[in-house]
Amino acid sequence: GEDVEQSLFLSVREGDSSVINCTYTDSSSTYLYWYKQEPGAGLQLLTYIFSNMDMKQDQRLTVLLNKKDKHLSLRIADTQTGDSAIYFCAEIINNDMRFGAGTRLTVKP
Amino acid sequence: DTGVSQNPRHKITKRGQNVTFRCDPISEHNRLYWYRQTLGQGPEFLTYFQNEAQLEKSRLLSDRFSAERPKGSFSTLEIQRTEQGDSAMYLCASRSGRGRGNTIYFGEGSWLTVV
Repeated sequence: GEDVEQSLFLSVREGDSSVINCTYTDSSSTYLYWYKQEPGAGLQLLTYIFSNMDMKQDQRLTVLLNKKDKHLSLRIADTQTGDSAIYFCAEIINNDMRFGAGTRLTVKP
Repeated sequence: DTGVSQNPRHKITKRGQNVTFRCDPISEHNRLYWYRQTLGQGPEFLTYFQNEAQLEKSRLLSDRFSAERPKGSFSTLEIQRTEQGDSAMYLCASRSGRGRGNTIYFGEGSWLTVV
């Protein structure tokens, strides 16, 4: 089974904010990542956060990390239809990157 | 474009045939990974190279699977005697071993369909 857990689906209206949540289990993870995958394509790195940070903002993306609860979230502001995709949370442990099952974000016009 | 490149992008093969996928990582990256992804799932780790050395292999990598990285640059993943359960997308990724270069970059993947 997966060590990284995500809810499978999220639906929002265009212009709203989207929040995708993730929990991970290994407190020794040094980096945590968010990837985006569009149909039939590989994984596109969106952003990552070091484990000694609580927050990272990059344009419309905000990552929040709660190490105590092993909880990671990705907020997308002003969500657009082009943001519709599957979003994967991942942690890196030693040399192995472990992924959640992905959250399918649907943006309705 | 100097990203991770994978070939072929799509492969349809009959059960029992052998297939080989190639990955060209980002040129200065000495670490290379192979993952497998099936529909509705996240990528699953298969194996990892640091330069030409294969340092880790997942239990998912059965005896029919072999990966090589002979000169520490491109890598190949061969599947022998393919089975329908091998149908998946095979993703290659690379990572720099220097400094803060812990970001892993993925290729577009190679889709395998075994009929």
